[in-house]
Amino acid sequence: QSALTQPASVSGSPGQSITISCTGTSSDVGNYNYVSWYQQHPGKAPKLLIYEVSNRPSGISNRFSGSKSGNTASLTISGLQAEDEADYYCSSYTSSSTRWVFGGGTKLTVL
Amino acid sequence: QVQLQQSGPGLVKPSQTLSLTCAISGDSVSSNSAAWNWIRQSPSRGLEWLGRTYYRSKWYNDYAVSVQSRITINPDTSKNQFSLQLNSVTPEDSALYYCVRGGGGHNYAFGYWGQGTLVTVSS
Repeated sequence: QSALTQPASVSGSPGQSITISCTGTSSDVGNYNYVSWYQQHPGKAPKLLIYEVSNRPSGISNRFSGSKSGNTASLTISGLQAEDEADYYCSSYTSSSTRWVFGGGTKLTVL
Repeated sequence: QVQLQQSGPGLVKPSQTLSLTCAISGDSVSSNSAAWNWIRQSPSRGLEWLGRTYYRSKWYNDYAVSVQSRITINPDTSKNQFSLQLNSVTPEDSALYYCVRGGGGHNYAFGYWGQGTLVTVSS
């Protein structure tokens, strides 16, 4: 069982917006602004989409945005495109000796 | 552009040592702002951070408590690479292993990933 809780799947139609939640505890998501999000296509390595809750690395579309409230972080994808169909993972720094924890992943289907 | 190229065997026998290497281009293993991590992914355990090495005037290591007694991550400055050794492996250590750069402007996140090495622990 992963330390951070994500929905197993979400879906949306092209052009729509979807939000993926990531729930942790006061030891990780709730205590640090070090939440990051990753996109993983089949057979590929994860790709960093968001770091420090809401920052986008260079080259990442502004259709991807992140936020946090309490122990829950969220990734919103606006203007869904077929190429957004992938698995999405959240991660957080944690005060435990584990250092970093991950969510179990959310499969996004673009209908 | 940072690139990470992994190498190492894909099959390891139980009780033996898993050894992987990650060659770095576009950055330095001795960078004062980056950290060099190993992360694995399996259907049963999901994504799991294993440990890191990093240089801040001297070398440091952090390891996940789940593997702390069995893991070593070493930098090799002469070859600009770093390595993973995991001792006494069991079938539970079968996974896709990634070398990953953390930090370097993406604070507490993992910005660059190697291509992954599928490691199977089996006799």
